[in-house]
Amino acid sequence: DTAVSQTPKYLVTQMGNDKSIKCEQNLGHDTMYWYKQDSKKFLKIMFSYNNKELIINETVPNRFSPKSPDKAHLNLHINSLELGDSAVYFCASSPMGNSPLHFGNGTRLTVT
Amino acid sequence: GQQLNQSPQSMFIQEGEDVSMNCTSSSIFNTWLWYKQDPGEGPVLLIALYKAGELTSNGRLTAQFGITRKDSFLNISASIPSDVGIYFCAGRGNSGGSNYKLTFGKGTLLTVNP
Repeated sequence: DTAVSQTPKYLVTQMGNDKSIKCEQNLGHDTMYWYKQDSKKFLKIMFSYNNKELIINETVPNRFSPKSPDKAHLNLHINSLELGDSAVYFCASSPMGNSPLHFGNGTRLTVT
Repeated sequence: GQQLNQSPQSMFIQEGEDVSMNCTSSSIFNTWLWYKQDPGEGPVLLIALYKAGELTSNGRLTAQFGITRKDSFLNISASIPSDVGIYFCAGRGNSGGSNYKLTFGKGTLLTVNP
């Protein structure tokens, strides 16, 4: 199936741990994104990459580091996890920067 | 930064009723998008609008790009139980990095009673 797929779907971990979330899109899109959805369902952009180049970096703690090995993949690594990092993280992609986004099904991160 | 006000926050309606929700922006957008999110899934695009005044339909859904480019509405006609979910508006500006940045409203939670 053509899609934006992210793994894992659920991630439960303890404070202070380091974890990664992976995202892959087979839609041939040039631009990929990470969004964070909080408990009130608010979607806020974190990062955007266009052809492996970082183009948007919102006010996100340095503990969050995106990595794009190629334009089909955008992974998110989080160091020293904190309770406030608990949220659903969505990966998305678009053909060009000004096109609609296609979202993955999210990774629910719970930090205990 | 850009801010979007989406209303209402939630709606409880009877099956068969029509629904309307809207978004207003503090700045001009060149793209308005409407998404629906079901539980446990990512937002799915419903309608995309690219021109001021544009009115677009997708089945029972109709959305319009406001003339001022600072607002948009979404109407759902003859609602059915599977319309339940969270509806998000999203807008994009037209300069520099804002070409890529899609700003979302806070969502409208729709409940349809059979």
